[in-house]
Amino acid sequence: AQKITQTQPGMFVQEKEAVTLDCTYDTSDPSYGLFWYKQPSSGEMIFLIYQGSYDQQNATEGRYSLNFQKARKSANLVISASQLGDSAMYFCAMRGDGTTDSWGKLQFGAGTQVVVTP
Amino acid sequence: EAQVTQNPRYLITVTGKKLTVTCSQNMNHEYMSWYRQDPGLGLRQIYYSMNVEVTDKGDVPEGYKVSRKEKRNFPLILESPSPNQTSLYFCASSSSDGYGYTFGSGTRLTVV
Repeated sequence: AQKITQTQPGMFVQEKEAVTLDCTYDTSDPSYGLFWYKQPSSGEMIFLIYQGSYDQQNATEGRYSLNFQKARKSANLVISASQLGDSAMYFCAMRGDGTTDSWGKLQFGAGTQVVVTP
Repeated sequence: EAQVTQNPRYLITVTGKKLTVTCSQNMNHEYMSWYRQDPGLGLRQIYYSMNVEVTDKGDVPEGYKVSRKEKRNFPLILESPSPNQTSLYFCASSSSDGYGYTFGSGTRLTVV
């Protein structure tokens, strides 16, 4: 069974600073995908970044980067130069690739609430 | 615009009164799923579907039903809602490559 763990329930970060959100995972699938989503107070789920388990390089998307350490089974999200609009709940999620029906299943962590202060 | 449309956005109902939350996607995606979100628990999968007429249970299927008669639609049915089904519900779809997950705007359900 797959499991995603986010150990930081909430954190404060000052504007313009970088913040790292922790995510560890457990899976027996040799191939899998890792995702980060942002959920602002309005409630929608916004896709941020994706990392495949066989990708050689860490994924980056603008101010978001994923620090992928496969041996440690961690996939931390780094947000550089935080902005007030980054205040939101952030979820780490994993999709297994063991079977084709795994592709439709995302396993989520409990989330980390980030508050960016001026 | 590529999107997943859920209706209604908000719903207050009474215990035992059957309800349906609709979900429709316009991206011709094979995979569709329903999740519920509760504080401290993240999103948990209720049911998912790999294609028309193919559905399977997720992690928390008790008290829910689904059907996939058309590729674009995946309604969630609560035959006899109970207060412990008060939650925020999301429908999501993805293509067969499993990379592009698109979520609906969510349905906030309150059962009194």
